[in-house]
Amino acid sequence: AQRVTQPEKLLSVFKGAPVELKCNYSYSGSPELFWYVQYSRQRLQLLLRHISRESIKGFTADLNKGETSFHLKKPFAQEEDSAMYYCALSGSTSSASKIIFGSGTRLSIRP
Amino acid sequence: EPEVTQTPSHQVTQMGQEVILRCVPISNHLYFYWYRQILGQKVEFLVSFYNNEISEKSEIFDDQFSVERPDGSNFTLKIRSTKLEDSAMYFCASSDSEEQETQYFGPGTRLLVL
Repeated sequence: AQRVTQPEKLLSVFKGAPVELKCNYSYSGSPELFWYVQYSRQRLQLLLRHISRESIKGFTADLNKGETSFHLKKPFAQEEDSAMYYCALSGSTSSASKIIFGSGTRLSIRP
Repeated sequence: EPEVTQTPSHQVTQMGQEVILRCVPISNHLYFYWYRQILGQKVEFLVSFYNNEISEKSEIFDDQFSVERPDGSNFTLKIRSTKLEDSAMYFCASSDSEEQETQYFGPGTRLLVL
């Protein structure tokens, strides 16, 4: 079964502290993994994807196939990082790939 | 930067009524999607559309739902006879052929069925 699990509904950290948002997935095959972010009153937007191996807004995520994890990390949290974060995977047998989302983690950065 | 747009932003309807949610995908995109998010739950895939036909649909996408690309710009989701449990945020998304997995989302339409 294809599934994305985000165990934390809410994560609250102080500004400047490290952040780690957990994500585990279940997929038979080689999925594409993503992190989407939704800031207050804004649309869902792609934050990063595992094949890019890039750092966006200081965030990185490493795909660990052994642990089937794709945790999102940032060494020093900023107040503007407060948002809803969704881990997601893309995988489909059809020509158009659907995205399967986790339930999301609300990140709150305290000043 | 081009964006996916959706209209209306909010819709209130009576149970049993038909609703049409509209989306204008990014102009050079060829793949189109609808997702929904019931309040407090995760974003769920409904349907994908490519080359003027449905590519894949979820269990949620039953006979009450249909999609259409009536012209070169719009992509619509119709719910024939709404039920209370159809109340949700509906998101449209699109992607291009080069990076099909990177989907760009619209702002959503909040549907409330009374």
